Amino acid sequence: DQQVKQNSPSLSVQEGRISILNCDYTNSMFDYFLWYKKYPAEGPTFLISISSIKDKNEDGRFTVFLNKSAKHLSLHIVPSQPGDSAVYFCAARTNAGKSTFGDGTTLTVKP
Amino acid sequence: DAGVIQSPRHEVTEMGQEVTLRCKPISGHNSLFWYRQTMMRGLELLIYFNNNVPIDDSGMPEDRFSAKMPNASFSTLKIQPSEPRDSAVYFCASSTSGTGSYEQYFGPGTRLTVT
Repeated sequence: DQQVKQNSPSLSVQEGRISILNCDYTNSMFDYFLWYKKYPAEGPTFLISISSIKDKNEDGRFTVFLNKSAKHLSLHIVPSQPGDSAVYFCAARTNAGKSTFGDGTTLTVKP
Repeated sequence: DAGVIQSPRHEVTEMGQEVTLRCKPISGHNSLFWYRQTMMRGLELLIYFNNNVPIDDSGMPEDRFSAKMPNASFSTLKIQPSEPRDSAVYFCASSTSGTGSYEQYFGPGTRLTVT
């Protein structure tokens, strides 16, 4: 049973427009949700997180929204830049410290 | 800080050989994680340690895999004997622990190819 799902394997947007990446989860015990970005031949790097008691967290061009009733979160990038092209992983963490990752969404931002 | 260090970056070995992957976490981090990334299974957690103690090894695929953390600055993941289906990128990550998001810091990965 996949507890964290990213249903869109890929997303393509035009530079300057908004990118919206989605993630669904099934486990109500997750207490933090995180987004990581991964470039080829590198390890994932942390981007932004949100606590389960909040519904929005913003950091510059990146905003994460959490809808607990729907068990859904999304990452908004605005404006999108070509350097944002990467694989984005959604992850959910329990208070025991274990994180479960989604399969990733490949974002391509076209100049 | 140098970040999480993994070695080797690439490993090519023949089926049946022993493979040892190494990881040095970020100084001061007390949690360490080993992941495997494949096209079929994505990024899956193999095992994680807290204060050098294995907490959850439910992701270790079978007895051929073992991991150790003899001290706070070093961990190994060993595969013996290796099989072609073990070919993947293996990541080590570290973090602090407790409450909070405590994001993980990943190493660059070891690309393992078993022929």
